[in-house]
Amino acid sequence: DIQMTQSPSTLSASVGDRVTITCRASQSINDWVAWYQQKPGKAPKLLIYEISTLESGVPSRFSGSGSGTQFTLTISSLQPDDFATYYCQQYNSYSLTFGGGTKVEIK
Amino acid sequence: EVQVLESGGGLVQPGGSLRLSCAASGFTFSSFAMTWVRQAPGKGLEWVSAITASGASTYYAASVKGRFTISRDNSRNTLYLQMNSLRADDTAIYYCAKGRTTVVVFFDSWGQGTLVSVSS
Repeated sequence: DIQMTQSPSTLSASVGDRVTITCRASQSINDWVAWYQQKPGKAPKLLIYEISTLESGVPSRFSGSGSGTQFTLTISSLQPDDFATYYCQQYNSYSLTFGGGTKVEIK
Repeated sequence: EVQVLESGGGLVQPGGSLRLSCAASGFTFSSFAMTWVRQAPGKGLEWVSAITASGASTYYAASVKGRFTISRDNSRNTLYLQMNSLRADDTAIYYCAKGRTTVVVFFDSWGQGTLVSVSS
């Protein structure tokens, strides 16, 4: 199975900060990575797919980049609604895998 | 509005069985792959199983293969997960989610989840 390693596992930041979360795949997954946001007690929400395509309705402060085995989710200016846990997911193989998650906390 | 609604969770003893259902509405169910994803208490997301739009192909995580069976009834707009030989480490919230295409990729609409507790 393809392993997805996310870092950091926890991130403390302030409103207005630029935030970067990294996901590393154990082998090349081409363009097939998605990012989700999850708030406590809620279902995950799709943010980005195919590395950098923003899902409809997602604010433009979210962006994705990367290639091959290393991928990044960036929040350009952190807003109060963005404090949550973020997960990457690969869909290069039919044995799907998620990263371990990154919790974005208020500093 | 796209909606998926899970049901069937509950408390079951180790070794027992449970069948989860996911009722879909607001989209053409037979045109999209579907998946089950679980989340143990305080832990991250774990993909469990997926099925293509037609139901012809199914996929499982190694941790559930041989114990869980995913299926769908496109005439009833319903997804199922039959869970047998349940273990304590199967305890989790189980989410149903809609895929973006007919094949298994990423997931754009999620239910609120149903809790499965495996304990004696």
